[in-house]
Amino acid sequence: DADVTQTPRNRITKTGKRIMLECSQTKGHDRMYWYRQDPGLGLRLIYYSFDVKDINKGEISDGYSVSRQAQAKFSLSLESAIPNQTALYFCATSDRSDLGYEQYFGPGTRLTVT
Amino acid sequence: QQQVKQSPQSLIVQKGGISIINCAYENTAFDYFPWYQQFPGKGPALLIAIRPDVSEKKEGRFTISFNKSAKQFSLHIMDSQPGDSATYFCAASMGIQGAQKLVFGQGTRLTINP
Repeated sequence: DADVTQTPRNRITKTGKRIMLECSQTKGHDRMYWYRQDPGLGLRLIYYSFDVKDINKGEISDGYSVSRQAQAKFSLSLESAIPNQTALYFCATSDRSDLGYEQYFGPGTRLTVT
Repeated sequence: QQQVKQSPQSLIVQKGGISIINCAYENTAFDYFPWYQQFPGKGPALLIAIRPDVSEKKEGRFTISFNKSAKQFSLHIMDSQPGDSATYFCAASMGIQGAQKLVFGQGTRLTINP
């Protein structure tokens, strides 16, 4: 969905490196989310944000940090990447007016940590 | 601990057949049960969703059946088509200050043979 974009789409990095994944949206939504997808585990919530000033941890936030630079931008950082952070990462948005019932996902970033 | 358990992990159905994917949940505070469809290289997209005050919801060939007492819900795809081949995720969520924290099942890879 072009309304939610993620960069980069693919990234290979080495253990110990700092890496940032970026998400931008043109949907005008104020809720944004970061998930990781692993085979056999589904998608798990890393962080979510209600607005620029409100950021909350999800179920697997250890080893990750986020920054909400603007309503439309939400970045995920791995301060010191490790191999078990190899996964597919998705950003999503939802609209307060819908009570957030539908989440719109970006195309994903495939991250490999060697 | 997986709060939403999904089965089977993979499913092969002949064209024109019925595809059935099952999910079970533990937390009775969940108030919204969506199904997401994901094609290779894409992010998940909302397919159909149900609230716990109804037992069934139908949209075209897709039906959700919901059993509140058993804490189970399922997706039925009637007249399955090759274009339905994708990974399907059930999810459950509860509203938290206007945001929906989705908890996903493990996913089912569905293949429809022509």
